[in-house]
Amino acid sequence: DIQMTQSPSSLSASVGDRVTITCRASQSISSFLNWYQQKPGRAPKLLIYLASSLQSGVPSRFSGSGSGTDFTLTINSLQPEDFATYYCQQSYSTLMYTFGQGTKLEIK
Amino acid sequence: QITLKESGPTLVKPTQTLTLTCTFSGFSLTTSGVGVGWIRQPPGKALEWLALIYWDDDKRHNPSLKTRLTITKDTSKNQVVLTMTNMDPVDTATYYCAHRTATLTRTFDYWGQGILVTVSS
Repeated sequence: DIQMTQSPSSLSASVGDRVTITCRASQSISSFLNWYQQKPGRAPKLLIYLASSLQSGVPSRFSGSGSGTDFTLTINSLQPEDFATYYCQQSYSTLMYTFGQGTKLEIK
Repeated sequence: QITLKESGPTLVKPTQTLTLTCTFSGFSLTTSGVGVGWIRQPPGKALEWLALIYWDDDKRHNPSLKTRLTITKDTSKNQVVLTMTNMDPVDTATYYCAHRTATLTRTFDYWGQGILVTVSS
């Protein structure tokens, strides 16, 4: 099974900051990496697919990069609505769609 | 517009079997490449993928739960059903169904609102 490890598990930042969240796969997953945002009591929302492609309707301050085993999600100029939990998910192995453990982004 | 909605019991007793239904609209589960998956999330914890069924009736299950899970589809009703046997309090979670894209992206791009299932005697 492919394991996904996110870091950090939590992060405090201020409005206007630039933040980066990292996701590492236990083996190469090419670019089959997706990022989701989840707010309390809500379903996850797809932000980024194929490591760096922005889902329609997602603000351009969100960006993703990486390939192989190491990936990053960057949020430029944090907005109040960006404080949420972020999950990475691999879709390289369609036998098992593994999620990371999540990164909670909190207001400093 | 793609929508999905989960339905089923919100309270089950330990050892019982849980049956959840995902009713969807805006796409067909006969379209090549399309899938519907189930993902759960215990309170305060991370997302866990459970199972997925494809347009051609191919099925995938989380290996750690495979013996307890069954996923089926009824294309005439636009529904996908997940059953989980031998429920335990640790299975208390919000259960989501989601549309898996037909393209190479293989993402879950649309999600239901989720249903909170509590396992308690």
